Amino acid sequence: EIVLTQSPGTLSLSPGERATLSCRASQSVNANYLAWYRQKPAQAPRLLIYGASSRATGIPDRYSGSGSGTDFTLTISRLEPEDCAVYYCFQYTALPLTFGGGTKVEIK
Amino acid sequence: QLQLQESGPGLVKPAETLSLTCTVSGGSISTPSCYWDWFRQPPGEGLEWIGSIYYSGSTYYNPSLTSRVTISVDTSKNQFSLRLSSVTAADTALYYCVRRTEDTNHHHYIDVWGKGTKVAVSS
Repeated sequence: EIVLTQSPGTLSLSPGERATLSCRASQSVNANYLAWYRQKPAQAPRLLIYGASSRATGIPDRYSGSGSGTDFTLTISRLEPEDCAVYYCFQYTALPLTFGGGTKVEIK
Repeated sequence: QLQLQESGPGLVKPAETLSLTCTVSGGSISTPSCYWDWFRQPPGEGLEWIGSIYYSGSTYYNPSLTSRVTISVDTSKNQFSLRLSSVTAADTALYYCVRRTEDTNHHHYIDVWGKGTKVAVSS
């Protein structure tokens, strides 16, 4: 099983600041089959990024994904109050499919 | 726009079987490029994959749950279902049905989620 470890656990930043979220895999994620999701309270997760760096439909370009192999990053370039949520990485390179433990982004 | 809706009992007794159905609307479950999955999220915790089904009936389960899980599909009703047997309090969670769609390299990421349904295991 591929274990995904996300850091930090919580990120507290001001509007306009840059958020950098990390996702590290216990083994290589082939061909970058890694996605990022945002979950707001009492809502289902929403797809942000797939294939490590491809933005999903309707996702603003403030969101970007990068990385390869075992180290991946989600960057939110200019935080807005609506970005307050928990962010999860997800690997779909191998079964069982697995999520990271999440990073909570708080807006000061 | 494709939508998924979970349905089923919100309360299940210990040792009994949890049964949920996901109804697909706005699209066909018989799409060759998609898988249909169940995930769950215990209160205050992260997300766990339960299993997947293809419209042909092929299934894939999380090894941690495989002895208790059955996922089935009914293409005539555009639905797929989850059965989880011998439940305990540890199975209390928000259960989501999802669609996984194919990327250009024939791997499948989640692009559509249901709203989720809460299931509590309690006597």
